[in-house]
Amino acid sequence: GAVVSQHPSWVICKSGTSVKIECRSLDFQATTMFWYRQFPKQSLMLMATSNEGSKATYEQGVEKDKFLINHASLTLSTLTVTSAHPEDSSFYICSASGGPSLNQPQHFGDGTRLSIL
Amino acid sequence: GDSVTQMEGPVTLSEEAFLTINCTYTATGYPSLFWYVQYPGEGLQLLLKATKADDKGSNKGFEATYRKETTSFHLEKGSVQVSDSAVYFCALSTLTGGGNKLTFGTGTQLKVEL
Repeated sequence: GAVVSQHPSWVICKSGTSVKIECRSLDFQATTMFWYRQFPKQSLMLMATSNEGSKATYEQGVEKDKFLINHASLTLSTLTVTSAHPEDSSFYICSASGGPSLNQPQHFGDGTRLSIL
Repeated sequence: GDSVTQMEGPVTLSEEAFLTINCTYTATGYPSLFWYVQYPGEGLQLLLKATKADDKGSNKGFEATYRKETTSFHLEKGSVQVSDSAVYFCALSTLTGGGNKLTFGTGTQLKVEL
């Protein structure tokens, strides 16, 4: 149980295009979803937290107009990297949980490797 | 603020060797502690967790004990296998930190050789 599917797993696109990444909880209702960015050989940096039906809460230093997050249903959240540039190339990972409490662990997707040419 | 410090890698061991990866933390309140594992090109998988002092989390031969007095949660395994090669992340979450919002350490890469 507690499977999170992230799609696509790899995307290469030209500079200036927008890229959408999907995160789905397959067998549970994800009240809360998290989006992380991971640079090579580094830890995960939390970008934002989203609760279903409300606006995402962004971490300090993360541009909300650059990284658009939508959490319209209990099983789907999307991250759109708008007007992507080479510096946005990274590994993006989502996670989902049944709620914000300590008893609701995060379940992680397999990540999306984004390469901007 | 909350923080997690892990030993730097990579850690290279021979198969069947004993593994220890150190992790210490700083937190306000009483954190829950976690170890996650990341295999190449994949997301994170929860390996084990402990939610209060003196709890021992264990899974797949790995174990870690929540030590409040030393603010530590060291990961151990008695006999590693090549398939254990991965990056291991220590993490914590607290109610004051935002419920189950996780703070991660920098990760420790483990390489196990035959």
